[in-house]
Parts: sequence; structure tokens; C-alpha cells
Amino acid sequence: GDSVTQMEGPVTLSEEAFLTINCTYTATGYPSLFWYVQYPGEGLQLLLKATKADDKGSNKGFEATYRKETTSFHLEKGSVQVSDSAVYFCALSDKAGNNRKLIWGLGTSLAVNP
Amino acid sequence: GAGVSQTPSNKVTEKGKYVELRCDPISGHTALYWYRQSLGQGPEFLIYFQGTGAADDSGLPNDRFFAVRPEGSVSTLKIQRTERGDSAVYLCASSLIMQGDEQFFGPGTRLTVL
Repeated sequence: GDSVTQMEGPVTLSEEAFLTINCTYTATGYPSLFWYVQYPGEGLQLLLKATKADDKGSNKGFEATYRKETTSFHLEKGSVQVSDSAVYFCALSDKAGNNRKLIWGLGTSLAVNP
Repeated sequence: GAGVSQTPSNKVTEKGKYVELRCDPISGHTALYWYRQSLGQGPEFLIYFQGTGAADDSGLPNDRFFAVRPEGSVSTLKIQRTERGDSAVYLCASSLIMQGDEQFFGPGTRLTVL
């Protein structure tokens, strides 16, 4: 079945460092891909998404490009801030039919130190 | 406008008891999803409603779990004869199919079975 594998954490960076969190997927079709973020004490929020190959999702300085050839959707940010400390989840949903259930990675915890 | 709400935010119960968890989706959202998130894991799909009907309940772990959405809005997840392994955060999400794939999540209900 469909699955998502993402880089294990925790990841600890200094402020202004470059961030990459790797995410690869296995899917039978052509899924939509997502990054969700969970800030401490808060619920899951959509960070960015891409719905087809070569699409780039971006938001709040974060970017991820849907790479069909490598089945990847790596999350990047050029200069992290302390406020980016959170848990990041990569997820996919199959576009077949109306059921858009999300298949999730395990999450990657990011801590950014001042 | 109001987001997805879930009640209670925390529920502590004893093994063998019955619990109900409520989800109030964003008004007008026809799709509703329940997920379960154990500590240190990504969310795991439980059930999907399109309108009033459960279109996909393949993620429910066993017949102790049941969910309803009688009027196509509020949904209740019901767990009978709770077990310690049911302890987790139960998440509800809703979406508008016609606007694509984004699911909006509630804050979750943390269930602890003693």
C-alpha cells in the first residue's frame, strides 16, 4: 500500500541555518503531497502542498518540490528561526475517488536554538 | 470563521468503559475524517465520511470502534470496552472536496485509558 518515509529526528539547528527534511513516498497512483506542521501545544496545520509532478509548494519561507522521478518531496528552508521549532509531517493522499485520506510519515521534530 | 472543534479536549477513563468523542467540522464541509495519533507517531487514518455515510471505515482497528455522522455535520467516535492500547490523541479533520485536498484539523482529544 501507499506509504511515506521521512527523515528521523530530532533535528537541532542554530538560527539562520539551512534546513532540509527528507521525505520519500510509495504510491500506486499520482498522489497529492503535503507538509503539515504541529507547533508545541497546537493542532496540525497545513504548511504547503503540491498536487502534481514538478509542482513546488511554498509558504512562510519553506519550499518543497514534487519529484516523481525520485518519489520525493523534501522540505527546505534557507534560514530557520526559533519560531520554526515544531514537528513536521510529510503526508500523501490518493486522488482517486473522493476519499482523500492522508497517509503520514512519522514526523520530524525540529529544534532551533538562538 | 470557526475551525474544527473537538470535545472533550482530554478524557481519562478506566479500562472497560465506554467513551464518546465529538467532532464539529467547519460549516459546509462535506468530508470528515477521523485519525488517531499515538505518541511519537504520525496520525493513522480511522474512518472517512462523505455526508452522512461512512464511505471508508477500513482504518477502524476492530469492532469496538464505531463512528456516526447522522446529519452530515457533527460526528461522534464511539469506543466500547476501552483498552489501555486505545490511549492516543484522536484527531478530526474536515474538508470541501470541491476545493481540493486540504484537510483542516481540530485540536484533538487526548484519550487516556487507565
